[in-house]
Amino acid sequence: GAGVSQSPRYKVAKRGQDVALRCDPISGHVSLFWYQQALGQGPEFLTYFQNEAQLDKSGLPSDRFFAERPEGSVSTLKIQRTQQEDSAVYLCASSLGGLDLTEAFFGQGTRLTVV
Amino acid sequence: DAKTTQPTSMDCAEGRAANLPCNHSTISGNEYVYWYRQIHSQGPQYIIHGLKNNETNEMASLIITEDRKSSTLILPHATLRDTAVYYCIVRGPYTGTASKLTFGTGTRLQVTL
Repeated sequence: GAGVSQSPRYKVAKRGQDVALRCDPISGHVSLFWYQQALGQGPEFLTYFQNEAQLDKSGLPSDRFFAERPEGSVSTLKIQRTQQEDSAVYLCASSLGGLDLTEAFFGQGTRLTVV
Repeated sequence: DAKTTQPTSMDCAEGRAANLPCNHSTISGNEYVYWYRQIHSQGPQYIIHGLKNNETNEMASLIITEDRKSSTLILPHATLRDTAVYYCIVRGPYTGTASKLTFGTGTRLQVTL
């Protein structure tokens, strides 16, 4: 596709519900990042994939958060037993990777509201 | 990655140049200065990056001081569509997870008629 696509754009979940957020990166991009953005704050790193390998999950706030990228393209961020503090915009970014310092391209994000 | 300091907000009249400052006094010799912006309800968008020389592209110019401790992003003719939060980010020439971006709170630029 032309850019990074995320779905759904908006998600309302009841507390305790499980949610799955999808990211379609730019075709051929090796690196994929997930970020969480709370209201009024800058995005914060959650996890990183190089192709299908999840090489860094140091930013995931709890074991309720799980991400996968099984075939090295589409990625899913899953949040189990959602809590109100999980309400945020979840951003996905992809880049070519490598040493060329190319920029990361971001999707429009999924706004999650937990009620 | 080095920490950056930006003003919380700025105003600019449409058609005038917008000059957004950033301090990064602890920047290392191999670290680059990146600028991204985030328009309301959208994901961050790459603008420009540089190491030590001034850079210009179709969106903006980046002026980095000789000591590299600060920089200025210049939007030469701001329009209402440039209203956004602008993030100055210092990033090393790393691959993989080390290439992740560390955002601060940025500068909220309001372009007015």
